Amino acid sequence: GAVVSQHPSRVICKSGTSVKIECRSLDFQATTMFWYRQFPKKSLMLMATSNEGSKATYEQGVEKDKFLINHASLTLSTLTVTSAHPEDSSFYICSANREDYGYTFGSGTRLTVV
Amino acid sequence: DAKTTQPPSMDCAEGRAANLPCNHSTISGNEYVYWYRQIHSQGPQYIIHGLKNNETNEMASLIITEDRKSSTLILPHATLRDTAVYYCIVRGYYGGSQGNLIFGKGTKLSVKP
Repeated sequence: GAVVSQHPSRVICKSGTSVKIECRSLDFQATTMFWYRQFPKKSLMLMATSNEGSKATYEQGVEKDKFLINHASLTLSTLTVTSAHPEDSSFYICSANREDYGYTFGSGTRLTVV
Repeated sequence: DAKTTQPPSMDCAEGRAANLPCNHSTISGNEYVYWYRQIHSQGPQYIIHGLKNNETNEMASLIITEDRKSSTLILPHATLRDTAVYYCIVRGYYGGSQGNLIFGKGTKLSVKP
């Protein structure tokens, strides 16, 4: 099958610090990965599309300088929340599209900024 | 991509079939119907997808009406572990596209003992 691994699953950080979340496609190459954000009892909201070897495409209203995305290889995309504040606390989920298998999602990262 | 409408919540007794409806009246001819579910605090899980024929796999069955304007996801024998939010999504075939999935509000299915 197509497996996407996301790490860490939970992170607590102090306000003003940065946090990096990794998303790896374990058994396939993904030229495109997607980052979603989910608030409690809400649906997933697409934040950005991560493209291997080029700049990410951000959805309207998402600050690209705050949410840095790097897709350095065909199996790894990272999301860095810079200068995190309590309002950035959320559930972050990545997904990757394998052409013959469809969209596979990571298990998510629960970020709490204190 | 076409918009979908789902009931916000449903209950189902354990062991009974759960039938989750989805309306997608503006679906176009080349758009597929996908179903994902999200168990609390986990990433979405793929369930099934189809174009116009009914589909069945080890998890569920997908019944698509002849006019393709609605569909029903059937979990034949619901268990407590099937309690989750179920998302019906309509989009073009992902095989040749790198586009993303757009999630609506979904249906919160509660399976009760």
